[in-house]
Amino acid sequence: NAGVMQNPRHLVRRRGQEARLRCSPMKGHSHVYWYRQLPEEGLKFMVYLQKENIIDESGMPKERFSAEFPKEGPSILRIQQVVRGDSAAYFCASSRGDSGNTIYFGEGSWLTVV
Amino acid sequence: AQSVTQLDSQVPVFEEAPVELRCNYSSSVSVYLFWYVQYPNQGLQLLLKYLSGSTLVKGINGFEAEFNKSQTSFHLRKPSVHISDTAEYFCAVSGPYNQGGKLIFGQGTELSVKP
Repeated sequence: NAGVMQNPRHLVRRRGQEARLRCSPMKGHSHVYWYRQLPEEGLKFMVYLQKENIIDESGMPKERFSAEFPKEGPSILRIQQVVRGDSAAYFCASSRGDSGNTIYFGEGSWLTVV
Repeated sequence: AQSVTQLDSQVPVFEEAPVELRCNYSSSVSVYLFWYVQYPNQGLQLLLKYLSGSTLVKGINGFEAEFNKSQTSFHLRKPSVHISDTAEYFCAVSGPYNQGGKLIFGQGTELSVKP
């Protein structure tokens, strides 16, 4: 049973370019979460999605960041016009969504903005 | 608002010694509590979780944690550590109303086990 799959694992972008990070949840999971880990910091919640719905985006920066989880295909975290401060590890997690249910993390996507 | 404080950013310890990683939380509602481990350049792996019931929770790799409601703490312990336990450890609390997978993480504790 494959775990949470993220790609790319490493991504380098120049300032002003767009970054797209993809996440396929575990089989049977319909809830996806994105977290960001800045250097030397803990993980910060960004957004919580179900298929075709954004449930909670309270942790998303107001500009340049967007997320989707379409009916078919992986969840996408999109960062437009990247800046150096966007350099971080972005982790996707998935769960069945039950209260207290374990969430499973992917291996992360490391974005470096040069 | 909920928050998690991990009291030690780095914990060096010798192999086979006991270790305790401290975690305190604040919340006005009941919460679920978690400990995750992160090895270098990898994702997070769940060590253990407290949802309800017995306050002493046993997890993988010989780790255990005790939920103390009066102290609002959830410290992680292992009686004898191995070199392979060297990693970053994160304490987390579930979001308000125990929302699915929305977790609030502490800053992390870097455990360094020396031979």
